Amino acid sequence: EIVLTQSPGTLSLSPGGRASLSCRASQSVSSSYLAWYQHKPGQAPRLLIYGASSRATGIPDRFSGSGSGTDFTLTISRLEPEDFAVYYCQQYGTSPLTFGGGTKVEIK
Amino acid sequence: EVQLLESGGGLVQPGGSLRLSCAASGFTFNTYAMSWVRQAPGKGLEWVSAISASGGITYYADSVKGRFTISRDNSKNTLYLQMNSLRAEDTAVYYCAKSLQEWLNYYAMDVWGQGTTGTVSS
Repeated sequence: EIVLTQSPGTLSLSPGGRASLSCRASQSVSSSYLAWYQHKPGQAPRLLIYGASSRATGIPDRFSGSGSGTDFTLTISRLEPEDFAVYYCQQYGTSPLTFGGGTKVEIK
Repeated sequence: EVQLLESGGGLVQPGGSLRLSCAASGFTFNTYAMSWVRQAPGKGLEWVSAISASGGITYYADSVKGRFTISRDNSKNTLYLQMNSLRAEDTAVYYCAKSLQEWLNYYAMDVWGQGTTGTVSS
């Protein structure tokens, strides 16, 4: 099983700031099958990024993904009020699919 | 509009069973793999199970293998999760989710339902 470790656990930033979220895998993620999701309380998770760097339909370009192998990053270039949420990475290259523990982006 | 609507959650005693359903609409259900993902109270997301577009191939997390069974009825555009031998640690919101990519047995998930809550408690 591929274990995904996200850091930091919590990121305290101001609107307009830049967020950089890390996701490290215990072994290489095949074909960069790494996704990022945004999750707000009481709502369904929302796919942001797949294939490590491809934005899903309708996702603003302030969200970007990068990385390969075992190290991946989600960057939010300028935080909008609606971006404060929990973010999860997920690998889907190998079963069992696994999620990271999440990074909470909170308002400073 | 692409939609997923879960149902079947509720309160059950340890050792009991629940059957979750997920009604799909707005897309060609029989060409996409589907998954169940859960979130226990105060915890993160946990992938539970996936099923291929035809229903012939299934995958499970170790935590539910042998207790849960995923299935689908493509004639009814409905996904199921039969949960047996339930434990307190199975208490969670259960989401069904659609694969982004057609035909692949599992992939990133681009459409999610609102979730249904299963509570295991005496």
